Amino acid sequence: KQEVTQIPAALSVPEGENLVLNCSFTDSAIYNLQWFRQDPGKGLTSLLLIQSSQREQTSGRLNASLDKSSGRSTLYIAASQPGDSATYLCAVTPSGRGYALNFGKGTSLLVTP
Amino acid sequence: SAVISQKPSRDICQRGTSLTIQCQVDSQVTMMFWYRQQPGQSLTLIATANQGSEATYESGFVIDKFPISRPNLTFSTLTVSNMSPEDSSIYLCSDNRGTYGYTFGSGTRLTVV
Repeated sequence: KQEVTQIPAALSVPEGENLVLNCSFTDSAIYNLQWFRQDPGKGLTSLLLIQSSQREQTSGRLNASLDKSSGRSTLYIAASQPGDSATYLCAVTPSGRGYALNFGKGTSLLVTP
Repeated sequence: SAVISQKPSRDICQRGTSLTIQCQVDSQVTMMFWYRQQPGQSLTLIATANQGSEATYESGFVIDKFPISRPNLTFSTLTVSNMSPEDSSIYLCSDNRGTYGYTFGSGTRLTVV
């Protein structure tokens, strides 16, 4: 069974810092990996989607990398802002279309002014 | 980008009653998924819903407790039946758009008193 682990569980940084969130998964047979953001009590917003054949994806201040063979992904946030405060979830899709996501427990990020 | 409308956004219900959650997708999708997120936890898959067939439930979830309907390719409902305080959670629906990843509804925050 695919296990997804996110480190750290919580992170507090001052505004302006660059930061890295880590995600690891036990089974490298994945279709893709997706990073989400969740604000308290809300649904999930997709941030970046990386296909299994890709190494990284970028959107604005966010960059996500994928090393499928080692079962790792990182989400890099540049020049953090208080509005980035949220829980960040990493999820993988097992190989084969139509399968549900396996989620990590998330990293709770607080960016202080 | 894809949009899923989910309602209600929140509800407070008496124990022993039932609540039906609706998700409307902005385009036809083959598979939809229902997740539960208990307080402080990550997302757990309840079931996968295909149009025209019975939903497939994950271990620990049963149809009598969480009946699901999928009458067409743009709509699904999840009912939480005979509720107890332990059912207090956020419930989320999502779809699978293949290489475009997954889109989630905005979530239903359920409190059972």
